[in-house]
Amino acid sequence: NAGVTQTPKFQVLKTGQSMTLQCAQDMNHNSMYWYRQDPGMGLRLIYYSASEGTTDKGEVPNGYNVSRLNKREFSLRLESAAPSQTSVYFCASSQNRVGELFFGEGSRLTVL
Amino acid sequence: KNEVEQSPQNLTAQEGEFITINCSYSVGISALHWLQQHPGGGIVSLFMLSSGKKKHGRLIATINIQEKHSSLHITASHPRDSAVYICAVEGGGADGLTFGKGTHLIIQP
Repeated sequence: NAGVTQTPKFQVLKTGQSMTLQCAQDMNHNSMYWYRQDPGMGLRLIYYSASEGTTDKGEVPNGYNVSRLNKREFSLRLESAAPSQTSVYFCASSQNRVGELFFGEGSRLTVL
Repeated sequence: KNEVEQSPQNLTAQEGEFITINCSYSVGISALHWLQQHPGGGIVSLFMLSSGKKKHGRLIATINIQEKHSSLHITASHPRDSAVYICAVEGGGADGLTFGKGTHLIIQP
């Protein structure tokens, strides 16, 4: 089983460029999440989707947009990348809002 | 917002030692998670618990709701246990999980 798949694994952007991180899960989970992980800090929630068709802001949503395309896919878009968005991004899913989390392998983004 | 503190931040031990990693939080929760992150980044869920104790192989997780404290124990530690161990809590007023900063564990042969 693939579990949670996110792409790309690595990306370098210039300030002002845009990009989309893709995430897909094959476990029929309702809830999906985007986190960022920065050195010396815990994982922080950017956006989450409790079910298909709904999305909500997390702790650090500024500069990001998301789309829950269907039950499987949850994408994260940076419209105008900034150096402060250099980070490792993790997509995760769970059966419901409360439950065991399954993570993707992470996407390392560098904004120059 | 819940404050999650892990200790120690870094831990180096010899193979075979008994390891304890601690997690404390400030506000009552509905559940607590222990996660493992190996070098290279992948994050795996180890335990989710809301009371008592859970065991999986050489790993044991306990939680004391009254004291707002959880521990992760590793028995007969092995170099492959080297990883970052992350505590995360659900509830306490936050959306979703609040994560600790992690404990970097190195087990030397």
